[in-house]
Amino acid sequence: ETGVTQSPTHLIKTRGQQVTLRCSSQSGHNTVSWYQQALGQGPQFIFQYYREEENGRGNFPPRFSGLQFPNYSSELNVNALELDDSALYLCASSPGQLSGNTIYFGEGSWLTVV
Amino acid sequence: GESVGLHLPTLSVQEGDNSIINCAYSNSASDYFIWYKQESGKGPQFIIDIRSNMDKRQGQRVTVLLNKTVKHLSLQIAATQPGDSAVYFCAENNGDGGSQGNLIFGKGTKLSVKP
Repeated sequence: ETGVTQSPTHLIKTRGQQVTLRCSSQSGHNTVSWYQQALGQGPQFIFQYYREEENGRGNFPPRFSGLQFPNYSSELNVNALELDDSALYLCASSPGQLSGNTIYFGEGSWLTVV
Repeated sequence: GESVGLHLPTLSVQEGDNSIINCAYSNSASDYFIWYKQESGKGPQFIIDIRSNMDKRQGQRVTVLLNKTVKHLSLQIAATQPGDSAVYFCAENNGDGGSQGNLIFGKGTKLSVKP
């Protein structure tokens, strides 16, 4: 167990809808990152939050947005869902934003867009 | 562009044998590398990491080797067990000196352990 919890575990949405995924980081971890993992692929970095501010973003459109709260938990929001958004969404937490801090992943939220 | 890749997509070994999973990276600025194990339906599980100022690091039954000259990373698993069956990913920090959450993953190697 990594102490990183995500919800919901599975959900199905219709194209064009919006979705919010939630993540609680490991105790003491102030940095949260989100990744998208398509079937058969490695995870791809979406963005990172450090102390409630976005601190790095991957190659994802603006309809992917996020929040981090004072308790370091985080949300990933995706608007105008497309079929290709179907994937496993992973949250990862670490005790700091700098390289060398171990990054722990949650079990993910499986999103299916129909 | 910068990328992390794996030499072999699948690896099948006999229980008790040693396993070696390889990974090539292309970003010479990367300074931190991690191996993750991902079982079916689960999130990636941290196995071992190594910084660029080291060439070898050992854990429990696992060893990671880093060859910066040829930009190659390997994971060695001693006495492979059925529970080691999973997809293994190497990941590198993108080396931008800031956001260390920006890991670049390869596509993964599926390890199958035959009893």
